[in-house]
Amino acid sequence: QSVLTQPPSVSAAPGQKVTISCSGSSSNTGANYVSWYQQLPGTAPKLLIYDNNKRPSGIPDRFSGSKSGTAATLGITGLQTGDEADYYCGSWDSSLSAGVFGGGTKLTVL
Amino acid sequence: EVQLLESGGGLVQPGGSLRLSCSASGFIFSDYAMNWVRQAPGKGLEWVSVITDSGGTTHYADSVKGRFTISRDNSKNTLFLQMNSLRAEDTAVYYCAKPPADRLFVGDSWGQGTLVTVSS
Repeated sequence: QSVLTQPPSVSAAPGQKVTISCSGSSSNTGANYVSWYQQLPGTAPKLLIYDNNKRPSGIPDRFSGSKSGTAATLGITGLQTGDEADYYCGSWDSSLSAGVFGGGTKLTVL
Repeated sequence: EVQLLESGGGLVQPGGSLRLSCSASGFIFSDYAMNWVRQAPGKGLEWVSVITDSGGTTHYADSVKGRFTISRDNSKNTLFLQMNSLRAEDTAVYYCAKPPADRLFVGDSWGQGTLVTVSS
C-alpha cells in the first residue's frame, strides 16, 4: 500500500490529453514539493516534473504539473505512442522523515 | 554530463550482507544529497535512503531501518549502501539518484541500477 495514491492505469488516443492524479496528505504532498517520473520498460526512471510544476531542461512542454492542497496532477498533451510508460509521483513526508512514492500509473496510448 | 554507475549487486543468501556502490561524475558530488531507490520485480518504486551533501544527516525507510546504512566518500565521488540481514523482500533493482540542487528527494539523474537477489 503506497503512501501516495495514483490510479493504476489511464488511457487515451494519440494526440489527445491525459491527466494522472496523485493524492497524499498534509505531511507529504500538502507540505512538500511533488515530483513526477516516467519509466519506460526496462529503463531507469526519468524526471519529468520537480517542485510541483518545473520541467528539467529537455523535457517538452507537453508535460505539465500542478498541485492544489494535497493533490497533484501530471498532464500530458499531444499524446504519442512513445509516451506509453509507467508514471510515478513522489514527495518527502515530513512526519515519516522519508521519501514516498505513489504506486505508479500505467499509461496506454490506444 | 551527469553519470551515476551502480555496482555491487548479486545473489546473496537470506541473512547475508552486500555493499552497493554508486560512482558519480559530471557534477560536484559534494554539493548534492544522494538517494537510493529500489524496485522489486514487477513492482513500483520504493525510496530506501538519503544522505545529505556532507554526510552529516541520513534518513531511511522503515523497511530497511537498522539493517541498511548509507554513506558517502566525497573525496572519491562515491555513494554506498551497506545492506545487512538481507531478506527475500529486499530483492530488487537498486538505483542511486541525484536530486535537483538544494533538494533532498529524489532524482534528476539516475543510475542504470544494480540487481540484488536474496535467495537460498
